[in-house]
Amino acid sequence: EAGVTQFPSHSVIEKGQTVTLRCDPISGHDNLYWYRRVMGKEIKFLLHFVKESKQDESGMPNNRFLAERTGGTYSTLKVQPAELEDSGVYFCASSPTGHTQYFGPGTRLTVL
Amino acid sequence: GDSVTQMEGPVTLSEEAFLTINCTYTATGYPSLFWYVQYPGEGLQLLLKATKADDKGSNKGFEATYRKETTSFHLEKGSVQVSDSAVYFCALIQANTGTASKLTFGTGTRLQVTL
Repeated sequence: EAGVTQFPSHSVIEKGQTVTLRCDPISGHDNLYWYRRVMGKEIKFLLHFVKESKQDESGMPNNRFLAERTGGTYSTLKVQPAELEDSGVYFCASSPTGHTQYFGPGTRLTVL
Repeated sequence: GDSVTQMEGPVTLSEEAFLTINCTYTATGYPSLFWYVQYPGEGLQLLLKATKADDKGSNKGFEATYRKETTSFHLEKGSVQVSDSAVYFCALIQANTGTASKLTFGTGTRLQVTL
């Protein structure tokens, strides 16, 4: 069974540009989560989808971040326009039940 | 709100040494507790978990016991190997909300094992 995959693995962009991160969850997992780790700090929750619906987006830092999960399969996280403080590692996780979550390898975003 | 506190690293040990990484939590109710590990260049992997008080999670020689009286979930291994070098994250999830919930993580502890 394939695990959670994320694309790209690394992205380097200039401040003010747009970046879109993609996450493909484990097949059949209705629950999809986005987290990020900034500057070696704790991993923080961003949002949670159940199928195509946003269950909880309380962790989204501001309206420059937009997440979608059309059709309840893969998800995208767009940052527009990117700021320096958005640099970090963005993790995606999926779960069949929401209890045990399986993580992808992460996307390292660097904003210059 | 919920929070997880881990001992600061890095922790440097010689191979075959005993490992303890401390983790304490603050949470309402009865959370489930997890240890995740991130090996160099890889993503987060679930290492072990415990869902109720006095449960012991174990995997790959690592153990952690859910201690509700001390709100702790310390990670231990009797004899570490160089291959255990990684960043270890303690986390909790509220298991009784009726809906799938988010993980709350600690800051991570880097372990470096040398020969």
